[in-house]
Amino acid sequence: EAQVTQNPRYLITVTGKKLTVTCSQNMNHEYMSWYRQDPGLGLRQIYYSMNVEVTDKGDVPEGYKVSRKEKRNFPLILESPSPNQTSLYFCASSLGYDRDLSYSGTSIGEQYFGPGTRLTVT
Amino acid sequence: EDKVVQSPLSLVVHEGDTVTLNCSYEVTNFRSLLWYKQEKKAPTFLFMLTSSGIEKKSGRLSSILDKKELFSILNITATQTGDSAVYLCAVETNRDDKIIFGKGTRLHILP
Repeated sequence: EAQVTQNPRYLITVTGKKLTVTCSQNMNHEYMSWYRQDPGLGLRQIYYSMNVEVTDKGDVPEGYKVSRKEKRNFPLILESPSPNQTSLYFCASSLGYDRDLSYSGTSIGEQYFGPGTRLTVT
Repeated sequence: EDKVVQSPLSLVVHEGDTVTLNCSYEVTNFRSLLWYKQEKKAPTFLFMLTSSGIEKKSGRLSSILDKKELFSILNITATQTGDSAVYLCAVETNRDDKIIFGKGTRLHILP
């Protein structure tokens, strides 16, 4: 079954204790992304990756790190979590597109989302 | 600054009504506009729009894009209680491959 998986699904932790949220997809997608969702603020992109070893900052990258060593995995790392990082986190993946062929009709926007990770930092 | 604005923020209608959800955007290097549906879990993809005036349709849902006026609408006809959800609009940019979401429209369908 084509899917994006995230672990853990729920996490309560304390300020300053490093944590990693894993994300994995089995669709051979090029593009992967992390979002946080907060009431009244909607979905905001934290980091994204167009391919292996290529990562870029989204709109709210402060306090987060990512890596893309393999195509299927895109972990989100909080080196020193703070209470303002309490949120619902989603990982997503999509086919991506071929820059050399200009816009080929595929899109990074047709994303498949993971089930979400609810993080509470006390 | 790139932004996506959805309206209304929330909407309550009766089953069988038709609803129109709005999405306007201001982004540099627009590539596509996206609609997602989010029930009590992760968003699921509905439509991608790249060209003005071409309607995308899936069952009772349809959407259209106006690139001159920088907006899109999502129509749902003959609404059902299962249509209750948050509908998210997003824009994909060419310049830096970001995806920018609006805050969503929360739709509640009364039986």
